[in-house]
Amino acid sequence: GAGVSQSPSNKVTEKGKDVELRCDPISGHTALYWYRQSLGQGLEFLIYFQGNSAPDKSGLPSDRFSAERTGGSVSTLTIQRTQQEDSAVYLCASSFGRGGQETQYFGPGTRLLVL
Amino acid sequence: AQSVAQPEDQVNVAEGNPLTVKCTYSVSGNPYLFWYVQYPNRGLQFLLKYITGDNLVKGSYGFEAEFNKSQTSFHLKKPSALVSDSALYFCAVRDIRDSNYQLIWGAGTKLIIKP
Repeated sequence: GAGVSQSPSNKVTEKGKDVELRCDPISGHTALYWYRQSLGQGLEFLIYFQGNSAPDKSGLPSDRFSAERTGGSVSTLTIQRTQQEDSAVYLCASSFGRGGQETQYFGPGTRLLVL
Repeated sequence: AQSVAQPEDQVNVAEGNPLTVKCTYSVSGNPYLFWYVQYPNRGLQFLLKYITGDNLVKGSYGFEAEFNKSQTSFHLKKPSALVSDSALYFCAVRDIRDSNYQLIWGAGTKLIIKP
């Protein structure tokens, strides 16, 4: 597609349920990033993929969070046993490479609300 | 340690007046610098970046930014503001010598353009 797409756009879940968030990067982009943005706040880095590998998972806030990427394309962020503090907008971005000058292009985000 | 500061939480400008959104940074070496804009309920859109060369960088929607190495600043500017420029603006930096893939993000500045 022309840009980064994310699904679902909105997700409402009950505390304790698991959720899966999906990201489709721009075709040909080898690097993929997940961020979290709380209401009106800045970006919190979660995890980065180069190809299917995640060199650094230290940004994930707890072991309830996990992510995978298959085929060097689609990525899924999974949150297990959701808590109310997980409510936020989850943003995905991709870039052509991991070089420092590469521009990250963002999807529209998934707005997660945990009741 | 790398850091980015956006000293103003909010900037108010009358339509037609020039606008400036401030950003200062701290890196050990030379920086790559980025500006993004986020409209309500949307993902982040890339505006412009400084990699090397001319200190004045021109980007989308008539925005420009000037890299000032001595002042470690990368302020975003536009000669004549439009109401449609009202949004959240983020500055980000990466040290060109850093093998870390992460961008360091500012907290964001809310720009309000009044008719």
